[in-house]
Amino acid sequence: KNQVEQSPQSLIILEGKNCTLQCNYTVSPFSNLRWYKQDTGRGPVSLTIMTFSENTKSNGRYTATLDADTKQSSLHITASQLSDSASYICVVSATNAGKSTFGDGTTLTVKP
Amino acid sequence: SQTIHQWPATLVQPVGSPLSLECTVEGTSNPNLYWYRQAAGRGLQLLFYSVGIGQISSEVPQNLSASRPQDRQFILSSKKLLLSDSGFYLCAWSRTSGYEQYFGPGTRLTVT
Repeated sequence: KNQVEQSPQSLIILEGKNCTLQCNYTVSPFSNLRWYKQDTGRGPVSLTIMTFSENTKSNGRYTATLDADTKQSSLHITASQLSDSASYICVVSATNAGKSTFGDGTTLTVKP
Repeated sequence: SQTIHQWPATLVQPVGSPLSLECTVEGTSNPNLYWYRQAAGRGLQLLFYSVGIGQISSEVPQNLSASRPQDRQFILSSKKLLLSDSGFYLCAWSRTSGYEQYFGPGTRLTVT
């Protein structure tokens, strides 16, 4: 069964600090992994998308890494801002299916 | 550029009443369309997806249904709402050959 597990479930950090969110998956055969940011009461917005051959991708202060061998990904946020407070969702797609498997998300709270 | 619209933004309905949520996409042709539900503090649950007009796949048996009367229009319906239907409903689209999904602003449904 395809699964995506994210950790931690929630995280509180101080403004200006860095943090790393984790995503482990069992989706096979792997096609791509995406990270989304979802502000409260809004639809998710794409941050990064990585295929099998990519092991890192950046989008401003967001850097995603992918280890396809261990089936792990991380999202690193540098110099956090109050506006980074949101839920971060990891999504993995398989090559043999048009559907994606969603993680439950990590809720990040950045405090001043 | 492509845009996705959902309405209404919020809805409060009594148990047993009907439901109709609408989603439209602009700026693209023959998109894949998706309906998701997100319970409070939980991850996204795929309800329906469509690869073309009149083609609907259901992921979760329930009292909801979906229809795609036009290429860029996706409708979520129910004849009789249950309390458990409360949640945040998100519509999304993707290109026919792509995995990246683009989400709408969502509809907050409260069943009382």
